[in-house]
Amino acid sequence: KAGVTQTPRYLIKTRGQQVTLSCSPISGHRSVSWYQQTPGQGLQFLFEYFSETQRNKGNFPGRFSGRQFSNSRSEMNVSTLELGDSALYLCASSIGLAGGRTYNEQFFGPGTRLTVL
Amino acid sequence: AQSVTQLGSHVSVSEGALVLLRCNYSSSVPPYLFWYVQYPNQGLQLLLKYTTGATLVKGINGFEAEFKKSETSFHLTKPSAHMSDAAEYFCAVSGSAGDMRFGAGTRLTVKP
Repeated sequence: KAGVTQTPRYLIKTRGQQVTLSCSPISGHRSVSWYQQTPGQGLQFLFEYFSETQRNKGNFPGRFSGRQFSNSRSEMNVSTLELGDSALYLCASSIGLAGGRTYNEQFFGPGTRLTVL
Repeated sequence: AQSVTQLGSHVSVSEGALVLLRCNYSSSVPPYLFWYVQYPNQGLQLLLKYTTGATLVKGINGFEAEFKKSETSFHLTKPSAHMSDAAEYFCAVSGSAGDMRFGAGTRLTVKP
């Protein structure tokens, strides 16, 4: 099986722009989660999608949004970029179970490194 | 709310020595606990997980962890460190709403 893929791998943007990151989960996985990783804040949970619905959401401003398509692929959008949005954005997929409690293994993609200038 | 605390942001051991990475958790529900490893410029890879059942959990690459409810701990160990174990390790707990909460990470250095 192919692993989780994320595109693009690297991205450079300027303040005020918006960006869309893409994640393709492992075939058959219905849950996709997004995380932001920075040296200062570590790994922070952004949101999780399951069957095209946002099931969980972390503590991020509304500039961060996402969606999931019927084939389970997911996109994450950040509008009005700020310097502090520079980070590695990780996507993880899992089989997902109705009810929300995650104990299936999450498989991570390699991440998209976003640099905001 | 669920959270994890990893004690020690950096741990250095000699090759062949015991590896001990510490993790304490806080959870309002029976915890699901995980250890992940991250190599440079890569995503996270699951080492092992505890959900229910046996409290001593064995994972990949010779790692194991023991769930101790009385101590709210889930420390990661490996009897003999290898150079290839050098990486960053993250402890995580599954929240009651299904979200994963990660610790700040511990960078393991292995000296020859």
